[in-house]
Parts: sequence; structure tokens; C-alpha cells
Amino acid sequence: GAVVSQHPSWVICKSGTSVKIECRSLDFQATTMFWYRQFPKQSLMLMATSNEGSKATYEQGVEKDKFLINHASLTLSTLTVTSAHPEDSSFYICSAGQPPQETQYFGPGTRLLVL
Amino acid sequence: AQTVTQSQPEMSVQEAETVTLSCTYDTSESDYYLFWYKQPPSRQMILVIRQEAYKQQNATENRFSVNFQKAAKSFSLKISDSQLGDAAMYFCAYRRGNNDMRFGAGTRLTVKP
Repeated sequence: GAVVSQHPSWVICKSGTSVKIECRSLDFQATTMFWYRQFPKQSLMLMATSNEGSKATYEQGVEKDKFLINHASLTLSTLTVTSAHPEDSSFYICSAGQPPQETQYFGPGTRLLVL
Repeated sequence: AQTVTQSQPEMSVQEAETVTLSCTYDTSESDYYLFWYKQPPSRQMILVIRQEAYKQQNATENRFSVNFQKAAKSFSLKISDSQLGDAAMYFCAYRRGNNDMRFGAGTRLTVKP
């Protein structure tokens, strides 16, 4: 089956620093990837849609300048949390679709803790 | 907007028994996809089963099967012969075309030995 990886699996950083999370589709190409955020004991909330070769599409309420998304290639999308604050601490998950793409495969997630 | 509702925050089943998790959704579309994902304590989202809306036949995957009622916009998951490893959060999800997925709030399933 399709495999999606994320790196790092967890990260601790100081308030005010930036953190980059990578999402890779290992055995298929993905023109579109999705970034989700999940708080403890809650569901996944879509943050943005990452499109290869074009700007990401952000959900309402998600700050574009704070959560920078770059879809540099057909197998890599990155999420950068800029000037992170404790309220940004969460579990971030990416997903990508294997053609015909209606099924999404998820990365293992990244736990971010901002001190 | 499409919404997905899981009305059972928690469910419990005895090992080897059968349990059904409920899911309803709201959409005006006729062509879409429905999914059940499992999220164990590791938090890795694992695809359990999927259903294409244009198919009348209910999807089956080993011990997992769905009851898809398109007119009622209902998509329940039945787990037969429950195993300890089935314990997890289960999310129902809706997707139209290549758009993003919309998830329900989840149902936490406990399996009692």
C-alpha cells in the first residue's frame, strides 16, 4: 500500500523559534497533500491543502503567515510553524492520495511541544 | 458544507463479539466517498474500509463491513469477532472527488477480554 512519512516524529522547541515538518509520499507521486491538526481526544481539523507548484489553500481561521506550506515536488510538502508559541503545541498530520486519489494515506504525525 | 456526525463518543464490546459504530453525514452531492479510519494509541491513521457512493453493494474487508444507506445518509461500521487489537478511536470520513476529507468527532472503542 501507499506509504507516507513525516519527519520529525516529535519536536520540542522554545517559544519564538520556527519548526519545519516534512511530509513525503514514499512510493507514489502526490500533486495534492493535506495538513491536519489534532488536539488531544479530538478529531482531525484541516489546516490547508498543499498543491505542487502553486500556493497552498488555507482553511478559514488558519494564519497563512504563521503556517507556511511549500509543496516543492510531487513527493514532498513541508509545513513551517513560524515564531511558534505554546498554543501551537499540537499533533500535526499530513496525508496524500494515491491515484485515483480518493483514498488518503496518512503520515504517522508530528508531535510539537512549544515551551 | 458537508458534515459528518458520529453520535457515539464511546463504545464497548466483548472480545469475539460484534459491534456496530454509527455515522451519518450531510451532503447535497451524489458522487462521493466514505471511509472509516482507525487511530490506535500510536495516533497513526489507518484505513479500515472505504465505500464509493455510486456502488450499492456494501464494502467488506475481512471482519469489517459497512451498512451504507445512501438515501438515509448513513454509513455504519460493523466489526465482527472483535479482537483486543481493534481497540482504538474510529473516525468516519467523507470525501468528494480530490477535495479534502471531513471527519466525524470519532468513537472510542474498548474491547474487553
